[in-house]
Amino acid sequence: DAEITQSPRHKITETGRQVTLACHQTWNHNNMFWYRQDLGHGLRLIHYSYGVQDTNKGEVSDGYSVSRSNTEDLPLTLESAASSQTSVYFCASSESIIGGRQYFGPGTRLTVL
Amino acid sequence: GQQLNQSPQSMFIQEGEDVSMNCTSSSIFNTWLWYKQEPGEGPVLLIALYKAGELTSNGRLTAQFGITRKDSFLNISASIPSDVGIYFCAGPDSGGGADGLTFGKGTHLIIQP
Repeated sequence: DAEITQSPRHKITETGRQVTLACHQTWNHNNMFWYRQDLGHGLRLIHYSYGVQDTNKGEVSDGYSVSRSNTEDLPLTLESAASSQTSVYFCASSESIIGGRQYFGPGTRLTVL
Repeated sequence: GQQLNQSPQSMFIQEGEDVSMNCTSSSIFNTWLWYKQEPGEGPVLLIALYKAGELTSNGRLTAQFGITRKDSFLNISASIPSDVGIYFCAGPDSGGGADGLTFGKGTHLIIQP
């Protein structure tokens, strides 16, 4: 069955370190998204991609970057982790044609000490 | 950006009761989505709505796309323990549907034994 996976599921890192969170989908979807979820804020969009070599900034993109070298993967990089980036991160994907339907991965809980 | 207001924030109900929750926006949406999230997991799509006035069911769940296109409603009939979770409404940031989603802050459903 097609799915979307994230790794690691949990990570603890230190302030200033570079961190990369992986997202892999086997739906063959063109569109992929990264969100963060925080108490009191719900889910907020970080970056998204419409296809290979395409990336776009979302609502809360500062301090994050993404790259899309193939259809299946959209890794999220925190260049220099900050305590404010402690959160749960979700990756999602969607088809181009069916409006709005996004399918989410299980999430990565990141703690920055 | 667009904001979605969900109410109530939380609900404490008895097993077997019906549940109603809603989502409102200050701007028009062309698509409304309802997701459920359980602890430690990503949001799971329950129902997608694409037309004003549309009423769609998924088992004991029924959702409606408000005729003003600024609101949506989710009802759960005869609640059971596995209905516990956080229910989110969401809509695409643009009319096309391939951009990121704006999420409400969720309605936390708790079922008392």
